[in-house]
Amino acid sequence: DAKTTQPTSMDCAEGRAANLPCNHSTISGNEYVYWYRQIHSQGPQYIIHGLKNNETNEMASLIITEDRKSSTLILPHATLRDTAVYYCIVRNDYKLSFGAGTTVTVRA
Amino acid sequence: NAGVMQNPRHLVRRRGQEARLRCSPMKGHSHVYWYRQLPEEGLKFMVYLQKENIIDESGMPKERFSAEFPKEGPSILRIQQVVRGDSAAYFCASSPKQGAGTDTQYFGPGTRLTVL
Repeated sequence: DAKTTQPTSMDCAEGRAANLPCNHSTISGNEYVYWYRQIHSQGPQYIIHGLKNNETNEMASLIITEDRKSSTLILPHATLRDTAVYYCIVRNDYKLSFGAGTTVTVRA
Repeated sequence: NAGVMQNPRHLVRRRGQEARLRCSPMKGHSHVYWYRQLPEEGLKFMVYLQKENIIDESGMPKERFSAEFPKEGPSILRIQQVVRGDSAAYFCASSPKQGAGTDTQYFGPGTRLTVL
């Protein structure tokens, strides 16, 4: 699976949008971009995934660049409960490879 | 629809004892994956099972660790003769089917194993 690069940490104000970037410049055509988050050592929580097109669900939006070399996860209205480690994963098989992720802290 | 269930949530064992971790997948899911998270590290894949079959155990230590997913009942991750280095959080995930990239895995709350 392609390697991903994410910022180590970022802060976000409560009520504002949180934009989490992820670089995956070596992604291949059949690899999907998945996002999970882990809140304080709980089990990872699935957020969203996509292949080429932008995706939106009740939790977040995923914007994938046209060349697919990077993507952005958008939490539209961050709350304190969104404080977590966010993982961007590129995969084409069943093994999920979790890196260090981005530690997002939402501040009141 | 209940999520992935794991028990126990916390398990304390002394060195040399056996640890048994259980995972019940989401209803309708027939694929189970085990991951281990050592302190301050990311999750690492251990094993992938379908009912009565081990599909891929490449991430599991060759000795002392075993996994099964019987026809009836939960998946079991078994660690024999535990050592302090086995102390970690063990997460189970399940999916309805195995696909190239569209098969989302849903995780349970994990079992935190502490070896004294």
